[in-house]
Amino acid sequence: NAGVTQTPKFQVLKTGQSMTLQCAQDMNHNSMYWYRQDPGMGLRLIYYSASEGTTDKGEVPNGYNVSRLNKREFSLRLESAAPSQTSVYFCASSGALNYGYTFGSGTRLTVV
Amino acid sequence: KNQVEQSPQSLIILEGKNCTLQCNYTVSPFSNLRWYKQDTGRGPVSLTIMTFSENTKSNGRYTATLDADTKQSSLHITASQLSDSASYICVVSYGNNRLAFGKGNQVVVIP
Repeated sequence: NAGVTQTPKFQVLKTGQSMTLQCAQDMNHNSMYWYRQDPGMGLRLIYYSASEGTTDKGEVPNGYNVSRLNKREFSLRLESAAPSQTSVYFCASSGALNYGYTFGSGTRLTVV
Repeated sequence: KNQVEQSPQSLIILEGKNCTLQCNYTVSPFSNLRWYKQDTGRGPVSLTIMTFSENTKSNGRYTATLDADTKQSSLHITASQLSDSASYICVVSYGNNRLAFGKGNQVVVIP
């Protein structure tokens, strides 16, 4: 049982480059989330999808876009990466909105 | 001001000793409170969940307490082990399915 799988685990981008972080869950969860974690800041919500077909902004959505491709997959896209987006990104899922999260193992992104 | 404050920010303890982590929150109406353990380089993993009516809950050597009246929770680690070295994150669910995250307590257990 894989739970929540994120790819890639590590990535280095140059300023202005674009990339998509992938997330998939195999628990038949309805809700999925993208967080970023920075030293001294804790986890901050970027975007979430309460259910398949819906997406909503979280606390820090600027510079990001998301796609809920299907019930299993929720991707995060950086169109033009900036050094301020250097962070560790976590995908999570839950059966009901904001209840009982399962987190992925994270993607460490560095923008130079 | 953060809605969820955790203290101490970090601590170092000797293997075998006990420690207590604190979480104070201001959000309402309260729904539930979770403690997560996050090992270095990994995602957070849920340790306990407590609802309004629960005062204490244990998960092995981890015991969480909740005082919903004073809006305080604690996580007690008994007989610490090296594997307890991690960040412990307090997350409060409130209102209409909203979450507030603490910044975590960083625990380092040394032999």
